[in-house]
Amino acid sequence: AQSVTQLDSHVSVSEGTPVLLRCNYSSSYSPSLFWYVQHPNKGLQLLLKYTSAATLVKGINGFEAEFKKSETSFHLTKPSAHMSDAAEYFCVVSDLTGTYKYIFGTGTRLKVLA
Amino acid sequence: DTEVTQTPKHLVMGMTNKKSLKCEQHMGHRAMYWYKQKAKKPPELMFVYSYEKLSINESVPSRFSPECPNSSLLNLHLHALQPEDSALYLCASSHPGSGANVLTFGAGSRLTVL
Repeated sequence: AQSVTQLDSHVSVSEGTPVLLRCNYSSSYSPSLFWYVQHPNKGLQLLLKYTSAATLVKGINGFEAEFKKSETSFHLTKPSAHMSDAAEYFCVVSDLTGTYKYIFGTGTRLKVLA
Repeated sequence: DTEVTQTPKHLVMGMTNKKSLKCEQHMGHRAMYWYKQKAKKPPELMFVYSYEKLSINESVPSRFSPECPNSSLLNLHLHALQPEDSALYLCASSHPGSGANVLTFGAGSRLTVL
C-alpha cells in the first residue's frame, strides 16, 4: 500500500530565506512522486515530478526536490522564498501500474513573511 | 493546448435543484477524474473515467452522477445535494501509460448548496 506523510502542516519563512517542505512516502512499487502547489481558490499546479530518472528534480519557479530512497523522502526546497510562494503544497505519490490512484499528503501551508 | 477547463467557476444551488459541472481537455488524455476538496484538506477522489468508461467510483452518493460523453468531456450531474456537499470540485486528466502519468488539474468549480 502507498502512503505519503507531509511532516509540517504549516511552515513560515521570511522573504529571501530558504524553503524546506518535507515529505516522506511509502510504496510497494517504484513510485512516481509529485509536488503540487495550490493558491487560494485555485486548482492544483504541478511543480515537479520524479519518475526514476535523476534523483534531483528541478521544477518551476526555482523549486527542486531530491528523491532519497534510503530515507523514503522527497523534500521540496527553494533557495530564496518570494511572497508569491505563499500557498498550499501537496506531496503526491502514485505507482505506474495504471490504477489511477494518487495518494495526496495532507498539505503544507507556506507563509512568507515580508 | 495544455489546459483543463472547468465551468462554471462558481455555482450556488438549492437542495432541490439539478445542475451540472463541466470539464473539457484537448490534450488527448484518456483518463479523467473528479475530485472533491473541502477547505484546508487535500482533494478526495470521487470518480475516474478511463477511455470513456467508468473505472473508479469511490462510493460516492448517487446524488452525484458522472458522465463522459467523449474523450474530451467530463460532466458531473448534481441533484438533491446537501449543504455538506459544498466544496471545490476539481477535474483532472492524465494520459495512462505515459511516463509519469502526471495529473493536470482544472481551476475548479466552487459549489455552494443552500
